[in-house]
Amino acid sequence: EAQVTQNPRYLITVTGKKLTVTCSQNMNHEYMSWYRQDPGLGLRQIYYSMNVEVTDKGDVPEGYKVSRKEKRNFPLILESPSPNQTSLYFCASSPDRVSTEAFFGQGTRLTVV
Amino acid sequence: AQSVTQLGSHVSVSEGALVLLRCNYSSSVPPYLFWYVQYPNQGLQLLLKYTSAATLVKGINGFEAEFKKSETSFHLTKPSAHMSDAAEYFCAVTPGNTGKLIFGQGTTLQVKP
Repeated sequence: EAQVTQNPRYLITVTGKKLTVTCSQNMNHEYMSWYRQDPGLGLRQIYYSMNVEVTDKGDVPEGYKVSRKEKRNFPLILESPSPNQTSLYFCASSPDRVSTEAFFGQGTRLTVV
Repeated sequence: AQSVTQLGSHVSVSEGALVLLRCNYSSSVPPYLFWYVQYPNQGLQLLLKYTSAATLVKGINGFEAEFKKSETSFHLTKPSAHMSDAAEYFCAVTPGNTGKLIFGQGTTLQVKP
């Protein structure tokens, strides 16, 4: 089954404790991205990657890191989480940046206390 | 800068009534336009997309949307609401071939029996 898999689905952590949210897709897509969803703001892009070893900032990259060492994986790293990063996070993948029909993961609800 | 505005954060209709969710966009280049649906505790699922082939786009679950360039609108409609349509709906635009999705704030659709 074609899918984007995120882990964990739910996470509660403390301020400053490094964490990683994993994202994996099995569709051989080139383009992957991370979004955060906040009430009243819709989804905002954090980072994106057009291919292996190619990543770039989206609209709200502060406090986040990503890497793309393999085509299928695109982890999101919070080196020192803060309460304002409490949010619902989605990973998405697309065949390429032109078709842009994005496939989304189930989401990760992160709470930073 | 490109943007998307969804008019009405909450829309309530009776079962069997017309559904109309409004979306206006601003884009300096011909855009690709999308409607996504998010059911509770799930990721986003593509409803339909406009890629300049036809101005009236039909999607899944009986939804359709009409691209009106003169009004910079892409409103989503369904003739008869079903209880299962209750969800959050997002309009999104990607200008040109950037691959980036710019989302509206979202509209929560409530369907009353």
